Amino acid sequence: QPVLTQPPSASGTPGQRVTISCSGTTSNIGRRYVYWYQQFPGRAPILLISLNNKRPSGVPDRFSGSKSGTSASLAISGLRSEDEADYYCAAWDDTLSDLVFGGGTRLTVL
Amino acid sequence: QVQLVQSGDEMKKPGASVIVSCKASGYTFTNYGIVWVRQAPGQGLEWVGWISTYNGNTNYAQKLQGRVTMTKDISARTVYMELRSLRSDDTAVYFCARDPDDSDAYEIWGHGTMVTVSS
Repeated sequence: QPVLTQPPSASGTPGQRVTISCSGTTSNIGRRYVYWYQQFPGRAPILLISLNNKRPSGVPDRFSGSKSGTSASLAISGLRSEDEADYYCAAWDDTLSDLVFGGGTRLTVL
Repeated sequence: QVQLVQSGDEMKKPGASVIVSCKASGYTFTNYGIVWVRQAPGQGLEWVGWISTYNGNTNYAQKLQGRVTMTKDISARTVYMELRSLRSDDTAVYFCARDPDDSDAYEIWGHGTMVTVSS
């Protein structure tokens, strides 16, 4: 059972704005940075967002991250077909002393 | 270019051990730690642990402590992950990733090594 909670699926049409939520506790998201990863089938994850809302070089500004309290969100604006992938949130957990992930959200572009 | 190259896929019997390697190139090896993340078939990501390539300090996931060991060989620019007493639920793709030490932003990943545990 993943420590961070994400919806299993999300969908949108091209051009739409989609948000994916990630819920945690005061042991993880509440006091630590949140990271978001994108993963295509059979491939290694790709870092999309670090330190709650920072985009690494090369990540389009259509992707944005935010955090409030013990929850975080990933927003994707101007949805494109190539955004169809699995998305994972992650944060360090001070109680477990582990990095914990959400269960992942499969994004479908209709 | 910066890359991590992992060893090949493995098939093991329950109770056996497996060693997966991760060879780094294109950057100063000891400036970054290495983490391991695994993904069971059709499942999400799970953090396995971390090793400092500078001094060999380690931090393993609670559920794997006692069965996992990570080591480094600076001259070979390689990190090794050994998992012992393998069970069927250890079947997964094991990824290594470069850890910047001051955050959990894993920007560089290996291609993954499939470890299958089956009798």
